[in-house]
Amino acid sequence: EVQLVESGGGLVQPGRSLKLSCAASGFTFSSFPMAWVRQAPKKGLEWVASISSGGGGTYYPDSVRGRFTISRDNAKSTLYLQMDSLRSEDTASYYCARHYPTTEEFDYWGQGVMVTVSS
Amino acid sequence: DVQMTQSPSNLAASPGESVSINCKASKSISKYLAWYQQKPGKANKLLIYSGSTLQSGTPSRFSGSGSGTDFTLTIRNLEPEDFGLYYCQQHNEYPFTFGSGTKLEIK
Repeated sequence: EVQLVESGGGLVQPGRSLKLSCAASGFTFSSFPMAWVRQAPKKGLEWVASISSGGGGTYYPDSVRGRFTISRDNAKSTLYLQMDSLRSEDTASYYCARHYPTTEEFDYWGQGVMVTVSS
Repeated sequence: DVQMTQSPSNLAASPGESVSINCKASKSISKYLAWYQQKPGKANKLLIYSGSTLQSGTPSRFSGSGSGTDFTLTIRNLEPEDFGLYYCQQHNEYPFTFGSGTKLEIK
């Protein structure tokens, strides 16, 4: 069974940093591209970052490029999201998601972790 | 960026009825449109990808259609467990973008 379990969320002050982790199990982690998707309270879904299966390719929307960094450790089957220079508008639940390799839809999701950016 | 316009925002129906949710892309995304279901306390679930391909485990009462810019999710013979939030998402190009969601409620 595919499982994605996020951790590392919490309350952080504006301008500070936070690192999220996603522990994957039930599949060959190194074979799949991965992603982070977020959802602000009472709002819709927003794609945040993606990374290729080997880690050599990373992709971001303009809203987080230069502030967020996605990475992975295939030996540990773990995905990361380093979030720097956090803003109040980054407050959201952050979901780890698996990309289907060829067509890139998000075929499995974690249950999410909450990040609150507030002073 | 490809803008995804999803309608309606809210939908009320009774078990046994059929409903349709629409998603319009601001430019052609070929067939690369996915539909997700979101329910409280559960992981988001992929229902359909590439416009009309049912994900393994998705009941056959769900169907997807469309290509280019206009897509539709149809749910026939609604079951109680079908009520929740539905999102479309284009997976044709970066940045991946989602529709604003449709809340399907029991009438």
